[in-house]
Amino acid sequence: QKEVEQNSGPLSVPEGAIASLNCTYSDRGSQSFFWYRQYSGKSPELIMFIYSNGDKEDGRFTAQLNKASQYVSLLIRDSQPSDSATYLCAVNRNTGNQFYFGTGTSLTVIP
Amino acid sequence: DAGITQSPRHKVTETGTPVTLRCHQTENHRYMYWYRQDPGHGLRLIHYSYGVKDTDKGEVSDGYSVSRSKTEDFLLTLESATSSQTSVYFCAIRVEGLNIQYFGAGTRLSVL
Repeated sequence: QKEVEQNSGPLSVPEGAIASLNCTYSDRGSQSFFWYRQYSGKSPELIMFIYSNGDKEDGRFTAQLNKASQYVSLLIRDSQPSDSATYLCAVNRNTGNQFYFGTGTSLTVIP
Repeated sequence: DAGITQSPRHKVTETGTPVTLRCHQTENHRYMYWYRQDPGHGLRLIHYSYGVKDTDKGEVSDGYSVSRSKTEDFLLTLESATSSQTSVYFCAIRVEGLNIQYFGAGTRLSVL
């Protein structure tokens, strides 16, 4: 079983819609959760991090964490063509120095 | 870019040759990481360091070695490059207080 699993997509949404990206993780000891955006040919860019159950909002982005169900999600409101990228989910265990990444979900926002 | 510089940015080499990639940081972070990214596999940890001369293996460490003789530099060496090591390599630092990783721009390595 992989540490972190994401639907690889591709996910397509029209401009202005809400994009919903999901991630599940296997280790209940995971404590820190991250979403990175990666444009083609570029490096991962941190867009959100969340440590506690519930929602965390930053501009058009909302991260949602449910530790009981072991999933974390990212909502992108008012999606823009510039949001078209691959989104990577990552987790860090409470006791470890390592970060575990999903394989990413490709998002395309259609003008 | 969190003060991370990777060099070279692109490299083409031949099978069997040694290759060293460099990661340089300017903000004195204790933790540094090397990942490789391949289609279908995402980011996979090769090695990481938690201080000068302190390193540990990651998920895909076979065929790679690392060294950290100074806080600011973390070197990744392929002793004898193979075609399976063709990949994009990313260095990352960890901001300990927030437990966040930031990535360098990456090195695209092709082993022919």
